Amino acid sequence: AQSVAQPEDQVNVAEGNPLTVKCTYSVSGNPYLFWYVQYPNRGLQFLLKYITGDNLVKGSYGFEAEFNKSQTSFHLKKPSALVSDSALYFCAVRDMAGTALIFGKGTTLSVSS
Amino acid sequence: GAVVSQHPSRVICKSGTSVKIECRSLDFQATTMFWYRQFPKQSLMLMATSNEGSKATYEQGVEKDKFLINHASLTLSTLTVTSAHPEDSSFYICSAPGLAGGSTDTQYFGPGTRLTVL
Repeated sequence: AQSVAQPEDQVNVAEGNPLTVKCTYSVSGNPYLFWYVQYPNRGLQFLLKYITGDNLVKGSYGFEAEFNKSQTSFHLKKPSALVSDSALYFCAVRDMAGTALIFGKGTTLSVSS
Repeated sequence: GAVVSQHPSRVICKSGTSVKIECRSLDFQATTMFWYRQFPKQSLMLMATSNEGSKATYEQGVEKDKFLINHASLTLSTLTVTSAHPEDSSFYICSAPGLAGGSTDTQYFGPGTRLTVL
């Protein structure tokens, strides 16, 4: 069975500092990995994905994520956080194209000025 | 990018009534759509997979007679919450795999529908 773990309920960083939101996964085949962001009372916005190829994936709004097969991780990173990055972030996985995503519980990112 | 819309964005209804939520893919066709439910400060839980031209497939524990899904066309799926009760109050989100670059590996999400049952 597929699963995703986001070990941190909340991450707090100061504006301008680097941020990392952690994600580990479990899937039987090759993973399709995603990060989404959700602002209050709104749907999810796609940030980035890893399907195949380079382990470092660059996405929207300056975010990037590194796929690490040996550690089964896909941590989300940004070199310099903005207050506007404050939101709820979800990591998701599936093992086949076109199938439903399985989501982690979400991590609330709070960036202080 | 691909756009998915939902209607209504917010609905308040009395206990015992039925509520229909629409999910539309605006600029692409979707033979499959997914319905999720999200409780406050919690993750999205997959409820069912909506298939155009065939019956929906429901996740374990989801009552198919309570949450009726109809995939009427390649751009429209509807979720009807029948005989709604206060415990059905939640944020319902649909998604559809996009066809950007010929691949369906990215899913696009609707903005969600906030259902409140009094």
